[in-house]
Formats: sequence, structure tokens, C-alpha cells
Amino acid sequence: RKEVEQDPGPFNVPEGATVAFNCTYSNSASQSFFWYRQDCRKEPKLLMSVYSSGNEDGRFTAQLNRASQYISLLIRDSKLSDSATYLCVVNIYNTDKLIFGTGTRLQVFP
Amino acid sequence: ETGVTQTPRHLVMGMTNKKSLKCEQHLGHNAMYWYKQSAKKPLELMFVYNFKEQTENNSVPSRFSPECPNSSHLFLHLHTLQPEDSALYLCASRPPGGGNNEQFFGPGTRLTVL
Repeated sequence: RKEVEQDPGPFNVPEGATVAFNCTYSNSASQSFFWYRQDCRKEPKLLMSVYSSGNEDGRFTAQLNRASQYISLLIRDSKLSDSATYLCVVNIYNTDKLIFGTGTRLQVFP
Repeated sequence: ETGVTQTPRHLVMGMTNKKSLKCEQHLGHNAMYWYKQSAKKPLELMFVYNFKEQTENNSVPSRFSPECPNSSHLFLHLHTLQPEDSALYLCASRPPGGGNNEQFFGPGTRLTVL
């Protein structure tokens, strides 16, 4: 079983749509959670950290369910510029290790 | 730009060659990482250095040899690679404060092994 599992997509959505990505992780020692964004042929960049109480940054909302070992990312009012691969990432407790999912590809069309 | 630079950006090498990848940051970060990104696979952590000491080696074959002379520089020495080692090699750095801090990635070196 993969340590971090994501639906690879692609998710093809029109501008203005709301889209949600899910992610599950298997290691119960995971302590910190992130969503990174990776544009085509570019490096990953942090989109947002995910906190236990859930958090929002503009059009982006992240949720964490520790009991189910599940993380989600909601994007509202999608823009063309949101087209990218979204990587679910967990940090294992007391280590320097980040474990990446394979990513979910989003394509927003006009 | 994240402030993490990598050279070269592209590298083609034969299986008998020896080459090195270089990563540099002057962000004051103490931890540096090497990752491998292959098509259709998640980023794979290879090595982690914290204050120049190696803290993680993710069962990487010995044909990959990392070197961290100081907190600002990280190298990956390559020798007798295989075609399946062709991938994007990403360097990242992290500020002090623990593994739950953001990592900043360089643009990567796209390696092709013939």
C-alpha cells in the first residue's frame, strides 16, 4: 500500500467550478500535512499547510481528519491559473522526512 | 524563484561516466534534501542533511554519493548509472525548526542516462 494515496486525475473543470481533492495516508506517525503545487516542468511549491481544525487561504480550503487519516483540498471559483498538479505531503513525526503522493492533476478550461 | 539553485539544469551521460549535481542556497537554511522524480511516480526522498550531517539515506544505491560540505551546498556524485536512473533530481532546503517546516525546492536537474 502506498504511504500517501491520491487520485491521479486528471480533473477537467470549467472556470468558476468548485473542485475537491482527497488524499489518504497510512502512517499513523504522520504529524504535519501539506498541499504542494507543481506546475508542468517546474519544481513543487508549498500551497498551504493543513491544520487539524481546517484552514482556509482565499479560494483554497484544507481539511484534516486524523481518525480516518484523510486530507482534502477544496478549490472554489477555479481559475485557468489553477491548472497544475496538486501534491499531498505528510511529515513523519520527529523526522526530516516528507512523504509525497503521486499528485492529482487539475486542468481548468475556459 | 525560491532561492535554491541547481546546476546543471540538464545532463546527458553514459553509463560509464562520472558526473556531479550541485545545489546551493543562501537562505540560512540548515537542512538540505535530494529527491528523485520519475514519470508517474511520487517524489522519492533520497538523502537528507541537517547541519551537514546525513540524517536520512532512503536505501539509495551506492552509485549515488551525496556530499554536504556546508549548510549552503549539497552535491550528488553520480557514477556507473543505469538508464532507469534517468529522472528529474530535485534539491530542497528547509529553515531551522523541524521537519514540519516548508521545504523550498530548486528547479531540478533533468538527467538522461544513455
